[in-house]
Amino acid sequence: NAGVTQTPKFQVLKTGQSMTLQCAQDMNHEYMSWYRQDPGMGLRLIHYSVGAGITDQGEVPNGYNVSRSTTEDFPLRLLSAAPSQTSVYFCASTLVWGNTEAFFGQGTRLTVV
Amino acid sequence: DAKTTQPPSMDCAEGRAANLPCNHSTISGNEYVYWYRQIHSQGPQYIIHGLKNNETNEMASLIITEDRKSSTLILPHATLRDTAVYYCIVRAGGQFYFGTGTSLTVIP
Repeated sequence: NAGVTQTPKFQVLKTGQSMTLQCAQDMNHEYMSWYRQDPGMGLRLIHYSVGAGITDQGEVPNGYNVSRSTTEDFPLRLLSAAPSQTSVYFCASTLVWGNTEAFFGQGTRLTVV
Repeated sequence: DAKTTQPPSMDCAEGRAANLPCNHSTISGNEYVYWYRQIHSQGPQYIIHGLKNNETNEMASLIITEDRKSSTLILPHATLRDTAVYYCIVRAGGQFYFGTGTSLTVIP
């Protein structure tokens, strides 16, 4: 049982490049979400999903796309990277949409130059 | 979800109890209080959560006031490894919204 796995751990992109941050969980959790964390700040919600085929926007969705084709995977896509997207990205999963704890991955540190 | 207010930083002597306060004066009846911590920019780690009764687990205790407008996370015997940013979150079952938390430094 690996929990929530994020890949890659580190990535450097050039402005305008695209990439996908991967997130996988093996706990059969329905609810998954993506956050970004900028220096000295708390986590801000980007997108979330309450189940396969269902996604919705969080606080800061602009510049990011998501899809949820399986329960296990919830990739985050940057279509055209910008320096403002330099951040640490965290994926989280929760068993159900309810009062249960969320499990977080160890993060992907992205730098856009 | 209700907003929370936490002090930006606190110090605690090693071996002593660390008491981290959180105000959530606009909390609704169905919102739970959650505590997470983040060590060195790792992924946030769940600590404890509760609705209105005090809760205790192997990591910490959570004390919620009777009017539920504030709570305190207690680390009974703080160690250097408890140095982290602690987040108090109120949630009714939707997303987790993080504030800036309290940076706790445990001093030898």
